[in-house]
Amino acid sequence: KAGVTQTPRYLIKTRGQQVTLSCSPISGHRSVSWYQQTPGQGLQFLFEYFSETQRNKGNFPGRFSGRQFSNSRSEMNVSTLELGDSALYLCASSLDQGLTNTEAFFGQGTRLTVV
Amino acid sequence: AQSVTQLGSHVSVSEGALVLLRCNYSSSVPPYLFWYVQYPNQGLQLLLKYTSAATLVKGINDFEAEFKKSETSFHLTKPSAHMSDAAEYFCAVKKNYGGSQGNLIFGKGTKLSVKP
Repeated sequence: KAGVTQTPRYLIKTRGQQVTLSCSPISGHRSVSWYQQTPGQGLQFLFEYFSETQRNKGNFPGRFSGRQFSNSRSEMNVSTLELGDSALYLCASSLDQGLTNTEAFFGQGTRLTVV
Repeated sequence: AQSVTQLGSHVSVSEGALVLLRCNYSSSVPPYLFWYVQYPNQGLQLLLKYTSAATLVKGINDFEAEFKKSETSFHLTKPSAHMSDAAEYFCAVKKNYGGSQGNLIFGKGTKLSVKP
């Protein structure tokens, strides 16, 4: 069974640009969550999508957005990039994050560097 | 609000020694707790989870954790460290949205070093 796939693995962008990251969840999983990992702030929750709807959202500015497609694949977009957006972005999939006895499976992440 | 605190950002042990990584949680509702491991430039891998079925939870690679409600702790242990255990470990609690579950709230992580 294939795991969670994130593309691309590495990305370098310039301040002010926008970027789109992609996540393909494990087959059958309908919940996809995104996390940002930085040395200073650690792992922080961005948002969760379930059945193409954003179900929960973390405390991030509106420049961060996402969507989920009918096949459960998800994308997140960051507009007007800032240096502080440099981070490892992790995607996690689960059958349904809303259930108690489910765990999240993580992809390898996309390392975004903003210069 | 729910949270987890990991005591010690760095822990160093000798190969073959006991590994003990500490995690304390704060939650007004029964918590669902997890330990994840992250190797350099990799994502997170689940080691074990507590979902109230048993207080002593066994995970992969001989790791285990004990849920102690009286101490609000969920410490991770391994009897004998291997060099391959060197990584960063994260304790996490599942956020409760008024009855339904949600995202993970992570601790700051503990980097484990294993000396030969």
